[in-house]
Amino acid sequence: DQQVKQNSPSLSVQEGRISILNCDYTNSMFDYFLWYKKYPAEGPTFLISISSIKDKNEDGRFTVFLNKSAKHLSLHIVPSQPGDSAVYFCALRPSGSARQLTFGSGTQLTVLP
Amino acid sequence: GAVVSQHPSWVICKSGTSVKIECRSLDFQATTMFWYRQFPKQSLMLMATSNEGSKATYEQGVEKDKFLINHASLTLSTLTVTSAHPEDSSFYICSAAGYNEQFFGPGTRLTVL
Repeated sequence: DQQVKQNSPSLSVQEGRISILNCDYTNSMFDYFLWYKKYPAEGPTFLISISSIKDKNEDGRFTVFLNKSAKHLSLHIVPSQPGDSAVYFCALRPSGSARQLTFGSGTQLTVLP
Repeated sequence: GAVVSQHPSWVICKSGTSVKIECRSLDFQATTMFWYRQFPKQSLMLMATSNEGSKATYEQGVEKDKFLINHASLTLSTLTVTSAHPEDSSFYICSAAGYNEQFFGPGTRLTVL
């Protein structure tokens, strides 16, 4: 039973446009939400995070939105750049855990020049 | 973000041999490190949580006698795949736990012939 789902395995966006990556979860006990970016044959790189007490966090071109009632997390990238092409994972941490993360299945973003 | 290294970055071995993978936290002390495994086009699957000075905690379905984890210092955790078989071929990634985020190593590609 998947607790964290990224329903879109892939997404293609034109350069300069907005990329929206989505993540849904089922467990209300998650209290910290992260997005990671991963290139092939490399480890994930931390992008941006948000705690459960907020609904939005912005860092440059990246904004993460959290809708706790809908159990939905999204990452907005604007403007999208070809270098943003990678696999994006959402990762969620349950409250009170030993900082373990539960990862979504990932979305392959391709930004077309 | 923090720097985590892994060695080797790739390894090819014969079936039945053992392989050791090192994970080092280069610029901070990590009391907790995690080991993940990723199959092609799939998410990161947590294998075990490595705690400095104590036994690792393994996820359900992960054989602790096959995947030996040692976290002898605050900057080094090792994963030894014992008696490796072709089905153990995978991409192994470690991470070091910060306060909220995890910082990932670049991964190790293991191919068992």
